[in-house]
Amino acid sequence: AQKVTQAQTEISVVEKEDVTLDCVYETRDTTYYLFWYKQPPSGELVFLIRRNSFDEQNEISGRYSWNFQKSTSSFNFTITASQVVDSAVYFCALVMNSGYSTLTFGKGTMLLVSP
Amino acid sequence: EAGVTQFPSHSVIEKGQTVTLRCDPISGHDNLYWYRRVMGKEIKFLLHFVKESKQDESGMPNNRFLAERTGGTYSTLKVQPAELEDSGVYFCASSQQGAGETQYFGPGTRLLVL
Repeated sequence: AQKVTQAQTEISVVEKEDVTLDCVYETRDTTYYLFWYKQPPSGELVFLIRRNSFDEQNEISGRYSWNFQKSTSSFNFTITASQVVDSAVYFCALVMNSGYSTLTFGKGTMLLVSP
Repeated sequence: EAGVTQFPSHSVIEKGQTVTLRCDPISGHDNLYWYRRVMGKEIKFLLHFVKESKQDESGMPNNRFLAERTGGTYSTLKVQPAELEDSGVYFCASSQQGAGETQYFGPGTRLLVL
């Protein structure tokens, strides 16, 4: 069975601060995919990134960066110079390559960025 | 290209009534998924269609839930009769391929059963 843990329920920062959202996962598969989704106040789930288990390179997209470490089963997400528009619930999710392709989600981390 | 759409956006019904949720996937996406988030809990998988066939319905809570995808296009999820614990946000997602491919989500349907 697989599991995703987002230990931080809620994080509050002031604009321009950097913030890291933690994600730890468990799976027995050697091939799997990790995702981050953003859920702004409007409610939809917005895809941010997909990473396969064989690609441990860190990724940077603008102010967003992701650190994937198989040794610690973590896939952390950092927002640099946070902005009010970053306020949202962020979900980390896992899907195995074998069998069914259902996403296993963490409970989400609510990020509140104050001006 | 239009994204995944869901209808209605909100539904408030009384216990015992029936509600039908609809999902239109991204055009050309054979894979369609239903998920649900009950207040304060994780987003949980309900079922997965490949075209019109149910690939995996292991997440369906009980037989009060019925999902269909006739013709392999849009899907409906019917709850009959609705119970209080069915309240939550129902998300639909679609992907072009199967395992490992990015699933694109709709805005969700917020269901409140009173």
